[in-house]
Amino acid sequence: AQKITQTQPGMFVQEKEAVTLDCTYDTSDPSYGLFWYKQPSSGEMIFLIYQGSYDQQNATEGRYSLNFQKARKSANLVISASQLGDSAMYFCAMREGLSGGYQKVTFGTGTKLQVIP
Amino acid sequence: DTAVSQTPKYLVTQMGNDKSIKCEQNLGHDTMYWYKQDSKKFLKIMFSYNNKELIINETVPNRFSPKSPDKAHLNLHINSLELGDSAVYFCASSQDFHTLPGELFFGEGSRLTVL
Repeated sequence: AQKITQTQPGMFVQEKEAVTLDCTYDTSDPSYGLFWYKQPSSGEMIFLIYQGSYDQQNATEGRYSLNFQKARKSANLVISASQLGDSAMYFCAMREGLSGGYQKVTFGTGTKLQVIP
Repeated sequence: DTAVSQTPKYLVTQMGNDKSIKCEQNLGHDTMYWYKQDSKKFLKIMFSYNNKELIINETVPNRFSPKSPDKAHLNLHINSLELGDSAVYFCASSQDFHTLPGELFFGEGSRLTVL
């Protein structure tokens, strides 16, 4: 079964508008973390935002915010005031604990966001 | 000064050859990873090492052999290359599990093309 599901392979958004990228996850680990990464066409992986499973408040980083709904197991990324430079692939990822205190980070299939001028 | 560096960045080779990709991190992290990103952009974990010890070994053909001489280095050797091995291979590192947020720091990726 998929651990991380991103159901939107592609999205379009008008410049200056807000956009929500969906992510749902599946884990039985009570302590986990959720990440969003951006991969522009140049290929590097850029860390955007993090939400811990015990965090009471939704994470925010500048124009990025994470809409964390624990009961629904969703961790959607909201980008406000989209800019042309936001055009990229966006990956949701989940960190789970392994025995021995180690961790494993699993990625979703990604959403390709295109910002239209 | 690059935090996670991979070499080479591009690799073009023939089927059946053997090749290696090297990775080094100067962040002082204990854990390092290899991920494979295929043509559909799917990122799949291959291996993870913690302080030179193999932690994660996903379902990867035996032709792939990681080696970690010390906690700052994690190399990937691939024997008998096949067409399906063509992909971008990312090295990453992270602090230990107890240090939050524990995000992965990625290298720039190594694009392997097998002809």
